[in-house]
Amino acid sequence: GAGVSQSPSNKVTEKGKDVELRCDPISGHTALYWYRQSLGQGLEFLIYFQGNSAPDKSGLPSDRFSAERTGGSVSTLTIQRTQQEDSAVYLCASSSRQDNEQFFGPGTRLTVL
Amino acid sequence: RKEVEQDPGPFNVPEGATVAFNCTYSNSASQSFFWYRQDCRKEPKLLMSVYSSGNEDGRFTAQLNRASQYISLLIRDSKLSDSATYLCVVSVEYGNKLVFGAGTILRVKS
Repeated sequence: GAGVSQSPSNKVTEKGKDVELRCDPISGHTALYWYRQSLGQGLEFLIYFQGNSAPDKSGLPSDRFSAERTGGSVSTLTIQRTQQEDSAVYLCASSSRQDNEQFFGPGTRLTVL
Repeated sequence: RKEVEQDPGPFNVPEGATVAFNCTYSNSASQSFFWYRQDCRKEPKLLMSVYSSGNEDGRFTAQLNRASQYISLLIRDSKLSDSATYLCVVSVEYGNKLVFGAGTILRVKS
């Protein structure tokens, strides 16, 4: 079956604009995670959705960042009023149960000019 | 102090060499431990989970020392295809957010 997909693969935007990044998890996976990876840095946790539970937003760096997961499947990460320090690769992962492997999508490379 | 610390390398080794990576974590409540592999400009992929008793998968051996909060990965008979960044990963709760180290770069040369 298909893996985790993300769109767009690349996004270049101007400082101050809003962007939306999309993640399609593996079908049937109940857990969905967003991470970001800045150049030369490790992955940084952003937010976690598990089924119908309230999401764990503890990793969101500011209130400019928000995420939704509609119908328990597709997720959208929104960054408002983008800043240059938001430039990074945003990675989405999903897993089938709480203790299972997280499968990552190819990421969205965001560049804020 | 970072939650998960790794030597960034790079480790430059010849084919056939044995190489070991170490990692330390700060949160004593950590419950799950993994090594992920990330190729250049690609997403991370699970290499292996790390169990308290230590575990082996082919040429790869992972060990965990909870008392010292230390994880290791040993690669025997290195192949060119092993060249990648190896990420040490821990989770405080099962299935919850993963905390990644910054990675150790391995370059295997012929």
